[in-house]
Amino acid sequence: NAGVTQTPKFQVLKTGQSMTLQCAQDMNHNSMYWYRQDPGMGLRLIYYSASEGTTDKGEVPNGYNVSRLNKREFSLRLESAAPSQTSVYFCASSVAGHFYSNQPQHFGDGTRLSIL
Amino acid sequence: AQKITQTQPGMFVQEKEAVTLDCTYDTSDPSYGLFWYKQPSSGEMIFLIYQGSYDQQNATEGRYSLNFQKARKSANLVISASQLGDSAMYFCAMREGNNNQGGKLIFGQGTELSVKP
Repeated sequence: NAGVTQTPKFQVLKTGQSMTLQCAQDMNHNSMYWYRQDPGMGLRLIYYSASEGTTDKGEVPNGYNVSRLNKREFSLRLESAAPSQTSVYFCASSVAGHFYSNQPQHFGDGTRLSIL
Repeated sequence: AQKITQTQPGMFVQEKEAVTLDCTYDTSDPSYGLFWYKQPSSGEMIFLIYQGSYDQQNATEGRYSLNFQKARKSANLVISASQLGDSAMYFCAMREGNNNQGGKLIFGQGTELSVKP
């Protein structure tokens, strides 16, 4: 029972390089999310996909793009990495719908990204 | 303005004692959900407990309970009989709306709990 799988777990990039973080869930969830976690700031939403075929900006979308490839997969792309994007990135998924309001988001284990 | 506020950056508690972690929130939406997550030093996010805005009773899950005071907009987590394994970062989060269009969460800054033997 894998849940939410993120790859890679660690990555070091140079400023200006591009990279795609991969996320896949096997729980048949409608909604998927990308967050970043910086020290002392909790998790902040970058982008989310309420359902397959839709994506929307979150609180901190600048410098990122996303693709909801299918119901299972939601990728996050850094086109030109900057040191300010050094962070831990979490992917999450959840089931949508009013009747599932008490269902939590399930998180992957995170990707630790350093940009030099 | 902060939508989720956790005012305790760090807390200490003696093993086997109870501890309360504070969380206040700000929303004008009558429908919302409040979640608590635990993040141990290994980094994963573990869901602990949920409270809906229309729930009449405070949520409980084993040693975790939520002291929900709607008028004061607070949703404090109470951990009873603390264990060494409870040492972790704890996050309060809020979902506004009824979850029909994706339940994006707004997180507080977290409280780091240390349990002393």
